[in-house]
Amino acid sequence: EAGVTQFPSHSVIEKGQTVTLRCDPISGHDNLYWYRRVMGKEIKFLLHFVKESKQDESGMPNNRFLAERTGGTYSTLKVQPAELEDSGVYFCASSPFRTGSDGYTFGSGTRLTVV
Amino acid sequence: GDSVTQMEGPVTLSEEACLTINCTYTATGYPSLFWYVQYPGEGLQLLLKATKADDKGSNKGFEATYRKETTSFHLEKGSVQVSDSAVYFCALLNAGGTSYGKLTFGQGTILTVHP
Repeated sequence: EAGVTQFPSHSVIEKGQTVTLRCDPISGHDNLYWYRRVMGKEIKFLLHFVKESKQDESGMPNNRFLAERTGGTYSTLKVQPAELEDSGVYFCASSPFRTGSDGYTFGSGTRLTVV
Repeated sequence: GDSVTQMEGPVTLSEEACLTINCTYTATGYPSLFWYVQYPGEGLQLLLKATKADDKGSNKGFEATYRKETTSFHLEKGSVQVSDSAVYFCALLNAGGTSYGKLTFGQGTILTVHP
């Protein structure tokens, strides 16, 4: 079974530019999560999709971030315009179950650097 | 809200030394507890988990016991190897209330093991 795939693995952009991150979850996993780790701090929740619906987006930092999951398959996270403080590693995770009591399967992450 | 506190790193050990990484948590209800590991250049991997008080999770020689009375989930290994060098994250999943399905992470502990 293929794992959770994220790309790009690295992205370096200038402040003010737009970047789109993509996550392909494990096939059949209805639940998809985005997390972010900024500058060696804790990993923080951004949002949760159940199929194509946003279940919880309480962790999204501001309206420069837009997440979509059209058709309930892959998801994109767009940052527009990017700011310096957006630099960090963005992780995607998926799970067949909402409670995730078995833990989630994470992707390798996208390291975003805004200069 | 829920929170996880890990011991500050980095931790540097010689091969075959004993390892303990402390983790304490604050949460309502009965969360599940996890340790995730991120090896260099890779994504987050579930290392072990415990879903109720007094449960012991174990994997790859690592162990952690869910202690509700001390709200702790310390990670231990009796003899570390160079290949254990990684970043370790303690996390909790609270299936109830507003945290439903969201992982709350600690700040991560960098472990370096020297030959």
